[in-house]
Amino acid sequence: LAKTTQPISMDSYEGQEVNITCSHNNIATNDYITWYQQFPSQGPRFIIQGYKTKVTNEVASLFIPADRKSSTLSLPRVSLSDTAVYYCLVGDILVGEYGNKLVFGAGTILRVKS
Amino acid sequence: ETGVTQTPRHLVMGMTNKKSLKCEQHLGHNAMYWYKQSAKKPLELMFVYNFKEQTENNSVPSRFSPECPNSSHLFLHLHTLQPEDSALYLCASSQESGDLGAFFGQGTRLTVV
Repeated sequence: LAKTTQPISMDSYEGQEVNITCSHNNIATNDYITWYQQFPSQGPRFIIQGYKTKVTNEVASLFIPADRKSSTLSLPRVSLSDTAVYYCLVGDILVGEYGNKLVFGAGTILRVKS
Repeated sequence: ETGVTQTPRHLVMGMTNKKSLKCEQHLGHNAMYWYKQSAKKPLELMFVYNFKEQTENNSVPSRFSPECPNSSHLFLHLHTLQPEDSALYLCASSQESGDLGAFFGQGTRLTVV
């Protein structure tokens, strides 16, 4: 997996849009970008995955610039329940039998306040 | 509900006990993973199984012994653990090892006394 760098923590208020940026300067041509969310004492939950430009689903949007050396997870109008750790992973999802190890970094602790 | 079920949810065991953690998925996935998460620490990958074969052992002590009898079931056998092994143990599965769209179980909270 490509090395990623995220902010250690971020604070926000309810109703605001939150953007968490992940740097991945060594991203390879076949790598995809995947974000997970983890609440305390629970397993991580897949949020969104993308390769380039923009991906949107019911939970979040993922913006990926043309050089793909970074990506931004955008959470619209956050609520207190969005307080969690957010992880960015970058890797080739088509590597085959002995592929990615699915290794997580420290992630970004998002704290949403009222 | 992610489709990955872990049992038990909580476990307290003595250092001389032997216990097993169980993980089950019926998502048709071929890769399964064990992770350890200690308090306020990142997830640590322990083992990876792909098509029932172990493809990754991340320097895990031998007191942790994984078993994958088929693609739907994964066990973690525990014996002579130490208090520092107390943690949240998470199981995950994905279509194939390398598929970043993985599904995680709720975890087993293990306390070693």
